[in-house]
Amino acid sequence: GAGVSQSPRYKVAKRGQDVALRCDPISGHVSLFWYQQALGQGPEFLTYFQNEAQLDKSGLPSDRFFAERPEGSVSTLKIQRTQQEDSAVYLCASNPGLARQLSSYEQYFGPGTRLTVT
Amino acid sequence: QQQVKQSPQSLIVQKGGISIINCAYENTAFDYFPWYQQFPGKGPALLIAIRPDVSEKKEGRFTISFNKSAKQFSLHIMDSQPGDSATYFCAARSGAGNQFYFGTGTSLTVIP
Repeated sequence: GAGVSQSPRYKVAKRGQDVALRCDPISGHVSLFWYQQALGQGPEFLTYFQNEAQLDKSGLPSDRFFAERPEGSVSTLKIQRTQQEDSAVYLCASNPGLARQLSSYEQYFGPGTRLTVT
Repeated sequence: QQQVKQSPQSLIVQKGGISIINCAYENTAFDYFPWYQQFPGKGPALLIAIRPDVSEKKEGRFTISFNKSAKQFSLHIMDSQPGDSATYFCAARSGAGNQFYFGTGTSLTVIP
């Protein structure tokens, strides 16, 4: 089946604009994660969903960042009033979740959305 | 504060050689330690993972060595190939909340 998909792949926004980034996880995957990856750095955790419930949003850098997963499948990360420091690749990952098996922790990443704020 | 510390930042290895990347952590709540491979323009892809009750795991040319008492783990790539040239990330999962923490990455170049 298809892997994790993200759209758009590239987004250029002017400072102050709002953007919405979409993630389609692998069908049936319970958990969904958003990460921010700055150039030359590792992914940094933003937020995590189990089905439609947002269980952890401690990594969101400010209240300009908002994520939702209303039906427990597709998720949207929204950034309001974008700033230059928001420029990064935003990665989405999903995993089967819940069961205490090693395979249930395996994260499958999408290709990311590269956001450039000018 | 970096939860997972990774070294070296970059690594150059001859074809056929062994590539070794090291990571260290402090949080004893971590319960799952994966390694990811990332090519430019792509998302990270899981290579191999281990739980802390196992000291070593091997899958093909990739081996994780895990030292629970030292809170260190490493990735060994045997018979390194030019196609292995990529950025490698170690990571750790917190059993307390399902957060994943990533290292800063190692850029591996395998010279033919």
